[in-house]
Amino acid sequence: KQEVTQIPAALSVPEGENLVLNCSFTDSAIYNLQWFRQDPGKGLTSLLLIQSSQREQTSGRLNASLDKSSGRSTLYIAASQPGDSATYLCAVKGFQKLVFGTGTRLLVSP
Amino acid sequence: DGGITQSPKYLFRKEGQNVTLSCEQNLNHDAMYWYRQDPGQGLRLIYYSQIVNDFQKGDIAEGYSVSREKKESFPLTVTSAQQNPTAFYLCASSIDRAGTSNSNQPQHFGDGTRLSIL
Repeated sequence: KQEVTQIPAALSVPEGENLVLNCSFTDSAIYNLQWFRQDPGKGLTSLLLIQSSQREQTSGRLNASLDKSSGRSTLYIAASQPGDSATYLCAVKGFQKLVFGTGTRLLVSP
Repeated sequence: DGGITQSPKYLFRKEGQNVTLSCEQNLNHDAMYWYRQDPGQGLRLIYYSQIVNDFQKGDIAEGYSVSREKKESFPLTVTSAQQNPTAFYLCASSIDRAGTSNSNQPQHFGDGTRLSIL
């Protein structure tokens, strides 16, 4: 059974800092890995999707990497801003469904 | 604008009552999903549907029922058999079509319905 773990559970940083969020999964037989953002009381917004054959994806200040063989992904956020404060979730896609981690709650203070 | 609409935003259930959560999408997506989110836990899949008039149980289907009579709509009923229904319920959709389980299209989410017990 696929299990997804995210570390740390919570992170607080000052504005402008670069940071890394970690995601690990137990079964490397995945089709893709997605990173989502969730604001309080809201749904999920897709940030990046990395296919199993890819090593990384970039969107603006966000860069996600995937090492399928070791079961790890990282989300790198450059020059963090207070507007980046949210919960970040990773999810891996197996056969027909996504399996989610429990998320990292990020607070960026001005 | 295309998107997913969930209603109501907040819902209260009395003991012994069934309640239905609405999910409508105008993205022309084939696949739709229902998830439950509890504090400190990841999203868990309740039901999913890859085509009209067909749906599959997810990991926690007991106490829930769904229908998929139209491509745009995937309502979720929380029955009285669900002993602990208090949670945040999220509906999602994706382009994935039946038989294409390896699609690399992202899932799109609605804004959720928060269900509580009276």
